[in-house]
Amino acid sequence: GAGVSQSPSNKVTEKGKDVELRCDPISGHTALYWYRQSLGQGLEFLIYFQGNSAPDKSGLPSDRFSAERTGGSVSTLTIQRTQQEDSAVYLCASSLGGLGRVGYEQYFGPGTRLTVT
Amino acid sequence: QKEVEQDPGPLSVPEGAIVSLNCTYSNSAFQYFMWYRQYSRKGPELLMYTYSSGNKEDGRFTAQVDKSSKYISLFIRDSQPSDSATYLCAMSAGSNYQLIWGAGTKLIIKP
Repeated sequence: GAGVSQSPSNKVTEKGKDVELRCDPISGHTALYWYRQSLGQGLEFLIYFQGNSAPDKSGLPSDRFSAERTGGSVSTLTIQRTQQEDSAVYLCASSLGGLGRVGYEQYFGPGTRLTVT
Repeated sequence: QKEVEQDPGPLSVPEGAIVSLNCTYSNSAFQYFMWYRQYSRKGPELLMYTYSSGNKEDGRFTAQVDKSSKYISLFIRDSQPSDSATYLCAMSAGSNYQLIWGAGTKLIIKP
C-alpha cells in the first residue's frame, strides 16, 4: 500500500519568506509526527497529532512554526519568516496509534529538504 | 550532555564482517528501545524493537539491551554492501510517545 508522502521533496526559499510543507500519512493511521533532522544530528521532535486530541506542540522551536492537521489526515507544517538556521530536512511520520507497541512503529516519509538562503 | 549518545562514525568495514553499533543513555526510565535504518535521502525505517532488557534476533540482526549499564547494541552478521546506511537508535519511557533519538551512525560496508 501507499506509504507516507511529503511534498515538496526540496524547497529553496529566501530568508524572511514563509513556507508550507505537506504530509500525507498512511490511511488509517491516527497518529502523525513532525521531526526536523539537521546534518549529523538526530531527529528533533516538533509536534504530534493523535486523533481528535489537542496536538502536543512542545517541540516547536519558536512561534514562527505552526502545524495543522485537517480531517485527521493531511498535515501542513508552516514556517513563517524563515531563517537560515531553519535549513534542515523535515520528516513526517505516522503510526496506528499512541498506545502500546504499535505506537512506536512510526512510518516515515522521505522528507522535505529545506534550504533558506 | 545529551540523553542519548551515539557515535556518528562513519564506520567502515569489509563485506562479511560482524558490525557492532552502540548507544548509551542517561534516563533510567527508558523501557522501549528501537533501531531505525535510514538510507540516503530516505526516511528512517524501523529495523528492530526491544522492550526492557535482553536480546532479540531477526535474521542477521541482533539487538541487545543492558539496562544496568544503560547501553544498547545492534549487531549485524555477514554484513552486505546493502547494509550501508545510517543507523539511529531511539528510546522511550513507555507510554510516552515521544521517542528520544541518537544522532545516528553512518555505516559503510566495502565490497
